[in-house]
Amino acid sequence: DAMVIQNPRYQVTQFGKPVTLSCSQTLNHNVMYWYQQKSSQAPKLLFHYYDKDFNNEADTPDNFQSRRPNTSFCFLDIRSPGLGDAAMYLCATSAGGTGTDTQYFGPGTRLTVL
Amino acid sequence: SQKIEQNSEALNIQEGKTATLTCNYTNYSPAYLQWYRQDPGRGPVFLLLIRENEKEKRKERLKVTFDTTLKQSLFHITASQPADSATYLCALGLSGGSYIPTFGRGTSLIVHP
Repeated sequence: DAMVIQNPRYQVTQFGKPVTLSCSQTLNHNVMYWYQQKSSQAPKLLFHYYDKDFNNEADTPDNFQSRRPNTSFCFLDIRSPGLGDAAMYLCATSAGGTGTDTQYFGPGTRLTVL
Repeated sequence: SQKIEQNSEALNIQEGKTATLTCNYTNYSPAYLQWYRQDPGRGPVFLLLIRENEKEKRKERLKVTFDTTLKQSLFHITASQPADSATYLCALGLSGGSYIPTFGRGTSLIVHP
């Protein structure tokens, strides 16, 4: 089955220690997204790639970076995690350019910052 | 400012009844509205899409209505089952703008046997 895969499912890091979350997709979608979701809150879009074009949301902290080396993979790097960065990180994909952009989400990575 | 409002209180209903969840919005001109289901510790899963020129959409036991005058969408699950218990998020896509939908916080539905 075509899908969006995230690894790891659970990540524990120490305050200030860099961490990388990964996402891969077999849907061959043009667009890949990273969302941050805290408990009982809406998913908050951090950035997205349309093919190789990177789009950063205006309020995404500089501490968050992303890489998309190819169509299938996308990474989220948190350079110096703070306690406030503990959250669920969701990767999503979409076909893009359809005008009604249905999002296909991965299972998420739960990040804990000690 | 733009807002998407979904009831933060959980909706508790008895199995077999119809569950109705609400999504209200302000200062948006949505081209479409989507509903997603999210189970605890998992990513959201797309359920239904309704466009601004559509009043109602159905899929099996699910029904969505969209009233652009009231700025509201209603999401109905008929003959609800305990397996329908989850959080349901609405997401709005703008007219002529970004293709990316903006999500609400979701409402938790608990169906009691």
